[in-house]
Amino acid sequence: AQSVTQLDSQVPVFEEAPVELRCNYSSSVSVYLFWYVQYPNQGLQLLLKYLSGSTLVKGINGFEAEFNKSQTSFHLRKPSVHISDTAEYFCAVSEAGGAGSYQLTFGKGTKLSVIP
Amino acid sequence: EAGVTQFPSHSVIEKGQTVTLRCDPISGHDNLYWYRRVMGKEIKFLLHFVKESKQDESGMPNNRFLAERTGGTYSTLKVQPAELEDSGVYFCASSRKSEKAYEQYFGPGTRLTVT
Repeated sequence: AQSVTQLDSQVPVFEEAPVELRCNYSSSVSVYLFWYVQYPNQGLQLLLKYLSGSTLVKGINGFEAEFNKSQTSFHLRKPSVHISDTAEYFCAVSEAGGAGSYQLTFGKGTKLSVIP
Repeated sequence: EAGVTQFPSHSVIEKGQTVTLRCDPISGHDNLYWYRRVMGKEIKFLLHFVKESKQDESGMPNNRFLAERTGGTYSTLKVQPAELEDSGVYFCASSRKSEKAYEQYFGPGTRLTVT
């Protein structure tokens, strides 16, 4: 079984400032890691994923995340946020190569509010 | 290609009534997942179809929930009878059969309110 902890439920940040959204996970097996974003009144959209290889992964809209196996973390970062980044962000894991089922285990979400 | 669609977008029903939620996955996606987010909590897995077969229904909360995917295309999730604690947002997601099966595409969700 896996679990995901997003340490911050809400993060306010000024426009053009950097932001880091934190995510820690727990699992007894190898996992794939994901960040999803939900804009108001929309579905979840995949921002980026880590499957294997380079621990720094880049996603859409200028976001990146770094996988740290020793700290079991997968923090999301953006060097300069825009108003349009205001949304809820979800960290999720699935079992790697998971016998045909890649059910996701989610964190509780972090609401990012970008202040003009 | 068209994305995952869900209907209705919002449903308000009274306790004891029946509600059926529908999900249309991306065309050609064999995998279909249902998830639920109860207010204030995390999004939780309910079940997984591969085509018309239930691969994993370990997340279904109880026997008041019935999911079907006849013909391996769209899926329905019926709640009968609905209880107050069933309120939440129900998400559907789909993915390809093999290559990139881990990459799930989500619908906008159905917000269910049970009063």
